[in-house]
Amino acid sequence: GAVVSQHPSRVICKSGTSVKIECRSLDFQATTMFWYRQFPKQSLMLMATSNEGSKATYEQGVEKDKFLINHASLTLSTLTVTSAHPEDSSFYICSARRIEAEAFFGQGTRLTVV
Amino acid sequence: GQNIDQPTEMTATEGAIVQINCTYQTSGFNGLFWYQQHAGEAPTFLSYNVLDGLEEKGRFSSFLSRSKGYSYLLLKELQMKDSASYLCAAMDSNYQLIWGAGTKLIIKP
Repeated sequence: GAVVSQHPSRVICKSGTSVKIECRSLDFQATTMFWYRQFPKQSLMLMATSNEGSKATYEQGVEKDKFLINHASLTLSTLTVTSAHPEDSSFYICSARRIEAEAFFGQGTRLTVV
Repeated sequence: GQNIDQPTEMTATEGAIVQINCTYQTSGFNGLFWYQQHAGEAPTFLSYNVLDGLEEKGRFSSFLSRSKGYSYLLLKELQMKDSASYLCAAMDSNYQLIWGAGTKLIIKP
């Protein structure tokens, strides 16, 4: 299958700081990238959908000013958690998809805010 | 509304066969996905069905009936490493994935 690389895999940051997570499709051009969050023992929750070159579409209840998404190219999307707080600690996963094809997931990023 | 249903937890014995069912209701339909997720890791893609019928991939097979809004994942010759959560997801007319809550599969020796 196609390879999606997500970096970093783990990050610990202090409350009030910002953290950037990168998601790259290594061997295909991703027209759409999705960002998910998963709390322990719960299902994946879609946060936002981004198409290359346009603004991300956020799901209801997700603060767009707190979770900044940039999809600058067909191979890279970034999620920046701004002014992180302990309640933002979670597992963040990206997935990338070509048109009318299955989505492939990055390895995930475990964020811990202390 | 859009909805995916799958059992919360299942238990099976090493070497046996287990079938995990999934029913879905979506606005339009562009395929049904199964993913495997081990604890603390990202999901990995297992299968994609968009036409009715059975798709076989080694020990794993996936079945789809579009008229019934129903799919199942069949795992044969179970191994301890198959202990994981199995996520069913349907793609709607906007190519968005609608996720089930996942089925935790416990394999016993």
